[in-house]
Amino acid sequence: GAGVSQSPRYKVAKRGQDVALRCDPISGHVSLFWYQQALGQGPEFLTYFQNEAQLDKSGLPSDRFFAERPEGSVSTLKIQRTQQEDSAVYLCASSSGFDTQYFGPGTRLTVL
Amino acid sequence: GNSVTQMEGPVTLSEEAFLTINCTYTATGYPSLFWYVQYPGEGLQLLLKATKADDKGSNKGFEATYRKETTSFHLEKGSVQVSDSAVYFCALSDTDSGNTPLVFGKGTRLSVIA
Repeated sequence: GAGVSQSPRYKVAKRGQDVALRCDPISGHVSLFWYQQALGQGPEFLTYFQNEAQLDKSGLPSDRFFAERPEGSVSTLKIQRTQQEDSAVYLCASSSGFDTQYFGPGTRLTVL
Repeated sequence: GNSVTQMEGPVTLSEEAFLTINCTYTATGYPSLFWYVQYPGEGLQLLLKATKADDKGSNKGFEATYRKETTSFHLEKGSVQVSDSAVYFCALSDTDSGNTPLVFGKGTRLSVIA
């Protein structure tokens, strides 16, 4: 069956631009996570949704980062006024709530 | 807070060699432990997991045992293949339900040469 998909796969932004990263979870998965993976590092938790409710956003690094999942399915991670330190791979994962998390291929963001 | 420390890479082995990748953790309570693998050009995939002390997770010839006394979850394989070349991540979570965030180590890159 279809896995977690993310778009775009690659994004280049100039410093100061806003970007939006999309995640399509596995159909029916209630839980959705966003992680940030810097080069040479492991993924770090950003935020968690259960259906449309954002239950944990403790990992968001600044108020420039905003995530939403308005209908409990597709999620968007938005970064405003991008900075060079935002360059990373952004991973989305979904779960049924009874099993492991399944990861998408990630979006590689490069901020120039 | 919770944290995971795994051995630095890269690790380069010849085909059929024995593999160990060390992983230790710090956590409150009794976390679930995981190994994830990232093959070139692909997303993270769960390799194996263990949810309580002395549990052994296994998959594709890889094994890891949850050792509470040493707070470790070392990954082993008796005979590696070229196709095992990937980045391996040790991780923990408060539960194994998929409803709690994963805390990852930095990853260990494995290269297996024929």
